[in-house]
Amino acid sequence: DAKTTQPPSMDCAEGRAANLPCNHSTISGNEYVYWYRQIHSQGPQYIIHGLKNNETNEMASLIITEDRKSSTLILPHATLRDTAVYYCIVRVVGAQKLVFGQGTRLTINP
Amino acid sequence: NAGVTQTPKFQVLKTGQSMTLQCAQDMNHEYMSWYRQDPGMGLRLIHYSVGAGITDQGEVPNGYNVSRSTTEDFPLRLLSAAPSQTSVYFCASRSSPGTADGYTFGSGTRLTVV
Repeated sequence: DAKTTQPPSMDCAEGRAANLPCNHSTISGNEYVYWYRQIHSQGPQYIIHGLKNNETNEMASLIITEDRKSSTLILPHATLRDTAVYYCIVRVVGAQKLVFGQGTRLTINP
Repeated sequence: NAGVTQTPKFQVLKTGQSMTLQCAQDMNHEYMSWYRQDPGMGLRLIHYSVGAGITDQGEVPNGYNVSRSTTEDFPLRLLSAAPSQTSVYFCASRSSPGTADGYTFGSGTRLTVV
């Protein structure tokens, strides 16, 4: 699986958009980009995934660059409950494990 | 509520004791797996199953056994607990190994071995 690089921590004001970057410069053509978050030692929560097109769901938007070497997770209107560690993971469909790095600790400030 | 249920939520064991961590899902998912998370670290795969009757090892399988007799249940057995197995254990499931679906995780079992 390709390696990902994320900033260790970020801050964002409540109500503003939180933009979390992820670098995956060695991603292969058949690897998807996944985002999960972990709120205070709870089980990781799936947020969104994409292959090469931008994706949006009720939780977030995922922007993948045209060369697929980086992506950005966007939480459009961050709330205090979005404070969590966010993991960017690349994975081939059918691969048996998720490789979790250190993630980005996002703190939403009132 | 549909999801992954883990029991117990907390457990303290003495070195050498054995126990079973339970995991059940009601989403008819084929794929189930067990991860452990040590403090300040990411999750590491212990064992996984792609369907009833089929299990395989992950990256840290030593000291653990699994079985998958039904689609719903995937218990993790610690054979002889050691302090190095103190960790938080998460069970996860996914609809099918061949899809791009995301995983659903349980809320975890916090295990301390003394």
